[in-house]
Amino acid sequence: GAGVSQSPRYKVAKRGQDVALRCDPISGHVSLFWYQQALGQGPEFLTYFQNEAQLDKSGLPSDRFFAERPEGSVSTLKIQRTQQEDSAVYLCASSSNTGNTEAFFGQGTRLTVV
Amino acid sequence: GESVGLHLPTLSVQEGDNSIINCAYSNSASDYFIWYKQESGKGPQFIIDIRSNMDKRQGQRVTVLLNKTVKHLSLQIAATQPGDSAVYFCAEKAGRRALTFGSGTRLQVQP
Repeated sequence: GAGVSQSPRYKVAKRGQDVALRCDPISGHVSLFWYQQALGQGPEFLTYFQNEAQLDKSGLPSDRFFAERPEGSVSTLKIQRTQQEDSAVYLCASSSNTGNTEAFFGQGTRLTVV
Repeated sequence: GESVGLHLPTLSVQEGDNSIINCAYSNSASDYFIWYKQESGKGPQFIIDIRSNMDKRQGQRVTVLLNKTVKHLSLQIAATQPGDSAVYFCAEKAGRRALTFGSGTRLQVQP
């Protein structure tokens, strides 16, 4: 595709609900990253995939957060039993290889937990 | 839309002036650096990058300077325009680790 696409653009969830956020990276991009951005803050790393392999999940804040990329393309970030502190913008980025190349970001999914 | 940078340091410049945005990084192992621009409701947009074997890189109207001795990065924007108003983040990368973002600076361009 032309760029990284994320859906939904906005999501309102009741506390305790499970949510799934989708990321369509740029076609052919090997690396995929998820970030969490709280209001007024810089993006914070959550997890990283190289193709279908999740190489780093050190940034996931709790075991309620789970990410997958089963076929090495589309990725889903799932948050179980959402809590108010999960409210943030969730950004997905992809890059063409694993080295030092720019990462292209999607517009993000704004999650509000009420 | 999403409001970015409510509590960030702000740099206010006049249209046509040059802007300098600074960033300190902490990881001496970082070998790749990127400046991103983020407008309200949008994801970060790549501006320019620099590798650690360089100390200066120029793009169109932008220059990035890297001082590894003091772990400092700066972004210079020439002839700043109203469309440059946004929040600017520096990001660093060490080896194959993911990008780590700084806290950001809001740039406001006064017409």
